Parts: sequence; C-alpha cells; structure tokens
Amino acid sequence: GAGVSQSPSNKVTEKGKDVELRCDPISGHTALYWYRQSLGQGLEFLIYFQGNSAPDKSGLPSDRFSAERTGGSVSTLTIQRTQQEDSAVYLCASRTGAQPERRAFFGQGTRLTVV
Amino acid sequence: SQQGEEDPQALSIQEGENATMNCSYKTSINNLQWYRQNSGRGLVHLILIRSNEREKHSGRLRVTLDTSKKSSSLLITASRAADTASYFCASNSNSGYALNFGKGTSLLVTP
Repeated sequence: GAGVSQSPSNKVTEKGKDVELRCDPISGHTALYWYRQSLGQGLEFLIYFQGNSAPDKSGLPSDRFSAERTGGSVSTLTIQRTQQEDSAVYLCASRTGAQPERRAFFGQGTRLTVV
Repeated sequence: SQQGEEDPQALSIQEGENATMNCSYKTSINNLQWYRQNSGRGLVHLILIRSNEREKHSGRLRVTLDTSKKSSSLLITASRAADTASYFCASNSNSGYALNFGKGTSLLVTP
C-alpha cells in the first residue's frame, strides 16, 4: 500500500476485555515497530519485528501484551484483560530494513480507550 | 528507557521567528533523526543526521549534532503557523533495533 495502515483508528473497550490492533506495513518493509503514546507523552517502544521474528520485545509492559507478525507483513498487537492504564494511542511504524539509517514510516495510530 | 530527551517541553513563538529545539541522548548512536507529529497521530520523518556529520540542512530546517556532548538541535527558520506540532528526536539503541524517541517539544507558532 501507499503507507502504513492501522485499524481500527479508534477502539473503545470495557475493562477486562481483550483487544486486537492491526498494522499493515508498507509493502516490502521488513522492519516493523509498535509504540504506545499516552496523552501528551512521548513514544514508548513496545516491540520490534525483523521479518516474522521479534529480536527486541523488551518494551512490552506485561504478559498481557503480545504481538505477532505473519508472512513478514501484517502484525497484530493483542492486549488481554485490558486495564484503564492501557488507554493510549498505539502507533505502528515500518522501514525497509534493520539498517539504522533507514527512516521509519508511521501509521496514524489506533486510539484505545478502556472504560 | 527513553534514549532522547528534548527541551524545551513547550515553545511558543510568533510567525517569522526561529524555533530551536534541543535533544540529548545517553549512549552512542549511529544516527539521530527528527520527526514531527500533528494532533497526536502518526509521525513524519523530517531529517536524519549521521554520527560523523555535524550539521545538515533541509529547506527551513537545520540540524546540528555534537557527539561529544551527546546532543542535537533542530532549528526551524522563519516559522509559520503550519509548523505548529510536536517534534521528537529519535536514535537507535545499542542493539541497533529499537528506534528510541524522546518526550518531544510542543511548538506553537502564532500568526
């Protein structure tokens, strides 16, 4: 596609429910990142994929958070038993490779609200 | 952990003035990048400066890098109301994987 696509753009869920957030990276981009941004805050790194593997998942805040990537393309971030503190904008980014000089392209994010 | 820390946290200027934002980082880097974010949504890449570069220009943007001080600055010249946004610096972690962002500078340019 033309850019990184995330869905849904907004999600309201009840506390305790599970949610799945989806990211479609730019075609051919092997590197994919998930970030979380709370209101007025910076970006908190969650997990990095290179292809289908995740060499760095050090940012996942708890075992309620998991992510997978299949076919080296689409990624889903799953939050189980959501809590109110999970409310944030979840951003996905992709870039062409693991080389650090590659720029990252971001999706518009999913705004998650846990009520 | 946050690799970059920007200051000031918030900056308010008038159109036509220059805006300077600073970023400090803690560990050695391969490069440093600046991004812009409008309305709390997706970020847009502005400019990248490599660790062996000291200054780089792109249009009205000027970025400097001082690896001895582990700091970078972003200068926007002749600012416009449309420059109102949050600006973040980002650098690669030691593992080379994660692109770590600071907390950002919120810039307001008033007409």
